Amino acid sequence: GAVVSQHPSWVICKSGTSVKIECRSLDFQATTMFWYRQFPKQSLMLMATSNEGSKATYEQGVEKDKFLINHASLTLSTLTVTSAHPEDSSFYICSGMPVAGGTHEQYFGPGTRLTVT
Amino acid sequence: QKEVEQNSGPLSVPEGAIASLNCTYSDRGSQSFFWYRQYSGKSPELIMSIYSNGDKEDGRFTAQLNKASQYVSLLIRDSQPSDSATYLCAVNPGAGSNYKLTFGKGTLLTVNP
Repeated sequence: GAVVSQHPSWVICKSGTSVKIECRSLDFQATTMFWYRQFPKQSLMLMATSNEGSKATYEQGVEKDKFLINHASLTLSTLTVTSAHPEDSSFYICSGMPVAGGTHEQYFGPGTRLTVT
Repeated sequence: QKEVEQNSGPLSVPEGAIASLNCTYSDRGSQSFFWYRQYSGKSPELIMSIYSNGDKEDGRFTAQLNKASQYVSLLIRDSQPSDSATYLCAVNPGAGSNYKLTFGKGTLLTVNP
């Protein structure tokens, strides 16, 4: 299957600071990448859909000014959590959908565990 | 509202048995269907995708799709303790939704040695 990496795998930051998470498709090109958040023992929650070269589409209730998404190339999307607060502590997971093949399969990165103190 | 429902579980089976996981979806226009496995503390891993009615087999896994009944299932034969995980059913409605996946809440499977 296709491989997606995320960096960092875990991060601890102080309240009020910003954190950037990178999502890379290593062996495929992804016109579309997705960002999810998952709290312990809860379902995946889609935060936004990121299309290369255009603005991200955010799900209802997700603050676009707080969660900045940039999809500058077909292999890289970034999520920046601005002015992080303890309630932003969560497991952030990205996924990429290969351009080629037309299967619309999504491949997930390993996730980034964010802890805000 | 598009919904995906999975049997709530948890599901417990003995090692070597067949585990059966079920999923129904509400959007009749859905085109692509996926099963993901998620181990505790890890991200989801794609294990099966199915697009047309019938069965699709891959090793010990068989996905079944019935679009008329809006039903997808996953069978795991010769279940192993390493199969213990949460299984997520995901449905892709197509281009109109920008290919966003709608996930079920997942079924926790435990395979007992």
